[in-house]
Amino acid sequence: AQSVTQLGSHVSVSEGALVLLRCNYSSSVPPYLFWYVQYPNQGLQLLLKYTSAATLVKGINGFEAEFKKSETSFHLTKPSAHMSDAAEYFCAVKKGGGNKLTFGTGTQLKVEL
Amino acid sequence: GAVVSQHPSWVICKSGTSVKIECRSLDFQATTMFWYRQFPKQSLMLMATSNEGSKATYEQGVEKDKFLINHASLTLSTLTVTSAHPEDSSFYICSARTGEDNQPQHFGDGTRLSIL
Repeated sequence: AQSVTQLGSHVSVSEGALVLLRCNYSSSVPPYLFWYVQYPNQGLQLLLKYTSAATLVKGINGFEAEFKKSETSFHLTKPSAHMSDAAEYFCAVKKGGGNKLTFGTGTQLKVEL
Repeated sequence: GAVVSQHPSWVICKSGTSVKIECRSLDFQATTMFWYRQFPKQSLMLMATSNEGSKATYEQGVEKDKFLINHASLTLSTLTVTSAHPEDSSFYICSARTGEDNQPQHFGDGTRLSIL
């Protein structure tokens, strides 16, 4: 079975500072990994995905994530936080050949002036 | 591309009524659609998976007769909450994806359901 652990339910950064949101996965087979962002009262928007190509994945809005098999991690980063980045972020894993996405519990990102 | 439209975005209705929520993929054919429920400040809970033209597969603990799912075409799935009660109040989100294994799910904007 696949699972995802997001360390830190709340992360607070200053505007312009580095954003680092942590995600560790567990999967019995090579996984597909995703990061989604959710703004209040909205659905989820795909930020980026890892599907066994390049290990460093670039997404929208300046976000990127690196797949590290040895650490079973897929942390999300952005060099410089913007106020508009404040939202809930979900890491998700899917088994190859499967249908279901398994979500982490989410990390609420707060960006302060 | 990959836009999923969910309607309505907000519903308030009396206890005992049935509510239908629509999920449409606007610019792609959705072989598989998913319905999630999200409680405040929590992650998404998968309710059911539906493939076009087939019966939905419900997750454990989800009442099939309570949450009716229809996926009659490659661009439309509906969730009907039958005889809704206050405990059914929640945020319901649909998603859709093509049949390709490495493609992500694309999400609708959700429906806030409030049962009085």
